[in-house]
Amino acid sequence: EVQLVESGGGLVKPGGSLRLSCAASGFTFSSYSMNWVRQAPGKGLEWVSSISSSSSYIYYADSVKGRFTISRDNAKNSLYLQMNSLRAEDTAVYYCARVGTVDSSGYPIWGQGTLVTVSS
Amino acid sequence: SYVLTQPPSVSVAPGKTARITCGGNNIGSKSVHWYQQKPGQAPVLVIYYDSDRPSGIPERFSGSNSGNTATLTISRVEAGDEADYYCQVWDSSSDQPVVFGGGTKLTVL
Repeated sequence: EVQLVESGGGLVKPGGSLRLSCAASGFTFSSYSMNWVRQAPGKGLEWVSSISSSSSYIYYADSVKGRFTISRDNAKNSLYLQMNSLRAEDTAVYYCARVGTVDSSGYPIWGQGTLVTVSS
Repeated sequence: SYVLTQPPSVSVAPGKTARITCGGNNIGSKSVHWYQQKPGQAPVLVIYYDSDRPSGIPERFSGSNSGNTATLTISRVEAGDEADYYCQVWDSSSDQPVVFGGGTKLTVL
């Protein structure tokens, strides 16, 4: 079964750091670009970051650029999001999502999400 | 960066047809994908590449894309279709290539 499982969310103080993980199974992880998408409480979906299959190219939303770092370990079938200098507005459910075939093909595979709460 | 505009809400009676629009500059030149999200759940891809349906998605869901508007059409709407719907594109000309619309709440009356 194709599956993505996020972990690492929790409560953190403003200015703090957190590292999210996404464990992939049921498919050849190293063949697909991966993404992080977040959703603040009661709000819509917001793309956060994308990384290509071999980490050759990486993109970030302006809202997280310079604070968040996406990475992957194809040997461990895992995707990561290192989040530094966290702000209250980063509070959201964070989803990892896999592309269908190529980057422009949409995201048929999503994890269940992990909640990040930034609050003092 | 590229902007996608959706109506905040659409209401439809059971058995009728719902149409949810997604506006963007020359969106017809891009591939549009649509997601359904129910409360407390992850999004589900219901239409990709403008009009293709993933396996398991009912034929009642269809999509079109031309000019400045893409449309998700849900025929014979059921109570279980009540959800938030998001359009999404990949803008290859941008350094922030993934764009989501603001979402539309579909209410089944």
